[in-house]
Amino acid sequence: DAKTTQPPSMDCAEGRAANLPCNHSTISGNEYVYWYRQIHSQGPQYIIHGLKNNETNEMASLIITEDRKSSTLILPHATLRDTAVYYCIVRVDEADKLIFGTGTRLQVFP
Amino acid sequence: EAQVTQNPRYLITVTGKKLTVTCSQNMNHEYMSWYRQDPGLGLRQIYYSMNVEVTDKGDVPEGYKVSRKEKRNFPLILESPSPNQTSLYFCASNPIWSAEQFFGPGTRLTVL
Repeated sequence: DAKTTQPPSMDCAEGRAANLPCNHSTISGNEYVYWYRQIHSQGPQYIIHGLKNNETNEMASLIITEDRKSSTLILPHATLRDTAVYYCIVRVDEADKLIFGTGTRLQVFP
Repeated sequence: EAQVTQNPRYLITVTGKKLTVTCSQNMNHEYMSWYRQDPGLGLRQIYYSMNVEVTDKGDVPEGYKVSRKEKRNFPLILESPSPNQTSLYFCASNPIWSAEQFFGPGTRLTVL
């Protein structure tokens, strides 16, 4: 079973920030939080990951709460091409398998 | 271009007819895996391989076989396909030192 819970769907206006929440209340101290997205049945695409500090890359920012029980993926200026299913995953290390839940379907509208 | 390729992309077959879905990566990655995706169930791991000649079962291995004779290739074999194996299949790879897993474009399999 997935160790994370996410809302099934969200909407966001184009150009606005999309904030996607994820709960992982049973996360262990050595587990990372990963985010992937899947655009319309294409292969999932890695976005970002973190352990306890906030992380930012060219695609998104990841905010992890101090108790690490939840996190938020932020797409700062959502575009129509960001419409996808977003998966939040916890994982020990690179050799650990990815367990995909059902994710959040983000719809970006004009 | 660094990529994971899968063939075929689409396949319709009949129950019991052996088939192989190929997966190849050109990034010299050690770790490769197969997933299937079904509506409402998300992606589930079928098999994975940590390196050449090292394979292990994922969450849903029944009815599937894999092999890893070369680093770049990780074929998925269905010896006797059944309709419940109708699904969208993804191959993925990553180097041991990296968190980023690269996925192939998917293979949509229908077993009649």
